[in-house]
Amino acid sequence: DTGVSQDPRHKITKRGQNVTFRCDPISEHNRLYWYRQTLGQGPEFLTYFQNEAQLEKSRLLSDRFSAERPKGSFSTLEIQRTEQGDSAMYLCASSQAGNHEQYFGPGTRLTVT
Amino acid sequence: AQTVTQSQPEMSVQEAETVTLSCTYDTSESDYYLFWYKQPPSRQMILVIRQEAYKQQNATENRFSVNFQKAAKSFSLKISDSQLGDAAMYFCAYRSFYNFNKFYFGSGTKLNVKP
Repeated sequence: DTGVSQDPRHKITKRGQNVTFRCDPISEHNRLYWYRQTLGQGPEFLTYFQNEAQLEKSRLLSDRFSAERPKGSFSTLEIQRTEQGDSAMYLCASSQAGNHEQYFGPGTRLTVT
Repeated sequence: AQTVTQSQPEMSVQEAETVTLSCTYDTSESDYYLFWYKQPPSRQMILVIRQEAYKQQNATENRFSVNFQKAAKSFSLKISDSQLGDAAMYFCAYRSFYNFNKFYFGSGTKLNVKP
């Protein structure tokens, strides 16, 4: 069990560019979550996958955001036409069905200049 | 929507002393779970302790214990014999029993531990 990993750990991009983040959950976990965390705040739910199906999306997830989990394993979160307000830490977490605990990755810190 | 409030942005404790972090939440649900997560600087968030709302007994994990007051919608974390490694951001979180997809987090309390 190597834990949840995220790549990259840091990303600096210019406003208007597209960025993509990757999350690799713990291998036997079928549930995967994306959160956004801004400075001084707790994580805010963005979206949730059970296996490859995206079952819930927060209204925080504008149409510039898209997430996929094509084979029910790793997931990607893409942000198109980035804005300065997208600057945040993007956290991924995974869990196993029937288990209440979510295991978090180290996060990807996005800075939009 | 459920809300979680942590009214203490920052707290300090002397090493080996005891500190209590506060958390209140707002919900109309009767069944839910409450959590305390620890986020050390530049490190990932880890679960400290969990409480099921249907359990009257307060959860305990080694030096960490909670005071769960369901009627008051209060869920405080007590850290006994504080250690330098306890220094971190602590987040209180709520999860519905029925809608298990979402965790609602408070804004966090930064805990400093003084040697």
